[in-house]
Amino acid sequence: DAKTTQPPSMDCAEGRAANLPCNHSTISGNEYVYWYRQIHSQGPQYIIHGLKNNETNEMASLIITEDRKSSTLILPHATLRDTAVYYCIVRGVSGNTPLVFGKGTRLSVIA
Amino acid sequence: DTAVSQTPKYLVTQMGNDKSIKCEQNLGHDTMYWYKQDSKKFLKIMFSYNNKELIINETVPNRFSPKSPDKAHLNLHINSLELGDSAVYFCAAGSSERYNEQFFGPGTRLTVL
Repeated sequence: DAKTTQPPSMDCAEGRAANLPCNHSTISGNEYVYWYRQIHSQGPQYIIHGLKNNETNEMASLIITEDRKSSTLILPHATLRDTAVYYCIVRGVSGNTPLVFGKGTRLSVIA
Repeated sequence: DTAVSQTPKYLVTQMGNDKSIKCEQNLGHDTMYWYKQDSKKFLKIMFSYNNKELIINETVPNRFSPKSPDKAHLNLHINSLELGDSAVYFCAAGSSERYNEQFFGPGTRLTVL
């Protein structure tokens, strides 16, 4: 079972920042937080991951609370193409551990 | 070049038939996976293969069998197809030496009639 809790859906205006929350209160000290998204009918796509420090890449920023029990994925300037289901996943240290997907958050970016 | 490719993209077949889905990755990663996404959109791991050895099998019926002819391929064979097997199947590839992303294929939509 997934170890994360996310809101089922969110809306965001185009051009604004999209902030997607995730709770993972049972996360272990050696587990990472991963974010993937699935655009309609496509395979999931990796976005970002982190352990305890905040992370940023060309797609998004990941803010992890100090106690690591929750995190927020930030899409700084959402576009219509960012409409997708976003999955927050907690994953162990073994590099070949499969991903355990929850229900995710369906983000709708509105023009 | 597509990192992870699957064929066919769509597969429609009758109950009781045997079918295969092919997956190829050109990333040089040592681990490949098969995931199933059902009609309710839940994504679940089915298998993972590392260096031609099955390392995880998540209570999948033995009608499903992954076969890896080489490090770049992990094909999914399904015998005696049932209505409940209808789903989208995704192949993925990743490296056991890295903690980051798995790369997913475009999916194969299987419909069993």
